[in-house]
Amino acid sequence: ETGVTQSPTHLIKTRGQQVTLRCSSQSGHNTVSWYQQALGQGPQFIFQYYREEENGRGNFPPRFSGLQFPNYSSELNVNALELDDSALYLCASSLDQDSPLHFGNGTRLTVT
Amino acid sequence: GDSVTQMEGPVTLSEEAFLTINCTYTATGYPSLFWYVQYPGEGLQLLLKATKADDKGSNKGFEATYRKETTSFHLEKGSVQVSDSAVYFCALKEPYSTLTFGKGTMLLVSP
Repeated sequence: ETGVTQSPTHLIKTRGQQVTLRCSSQSGHNTVSWYQQALGQGPQFIFQYYREEENGRGNFPPRFSGLQFPNYSSELNVNALELDDSALYLCASSLDQDSPLHFGNGTRLTVT
Repeated sequence: GDSVTQMEGPVTLSEEAFLTINCTYTATGYPSLFWYVQYPGEGLQLLLKATKADDKGSNKGFEATYRKETTSFHLEKGSVQVSDSAVYFCALKEPYSTLTFGKGTMLLVSP
């Protein structure tokens, strides 16, 4: 059974640029959630996708957007990057909206 | 809204010492409670969970009891190992909602 995989593992971008992070769900999981973990902080919920539809959103601006594909893989897009967007971005998949989350190892984004 | 408060770290212990990491929560409903562990350079792994009051979650020698009267879910282990060094996150989840995490507590275990 393949777990949750995220790519890339590390990324450096310049302020104002755009970035796309990718996540492959664990087999059989139809729900994907994205979290932002700033240094020394707990993960903060960005949004969740269930069967290709956004199904909940945290307190993040519209320049954070996402997609879920028919195979339940997912993307997180961030436009107009700011220095404070530097963080570890975690993807988690689950069997459904109320099942335990399985996390990937994250993408470390640095904005300079 | 929901929130989780954990004791600040780092917690520094010698091998075989007893561990307690305090966690208290505020919730509007009847949440499930979780402890996640994050090893350096990795994502989060579910360590244990409890879904209702007085439930005890346990795994790998760690345990925590869901205490509704004190709104707490303290993590304990009787004898820590160097390999337990990591960051531990307490979290809650209301039904059909998302996980709310605490800020994390770093544990450092020395030989």
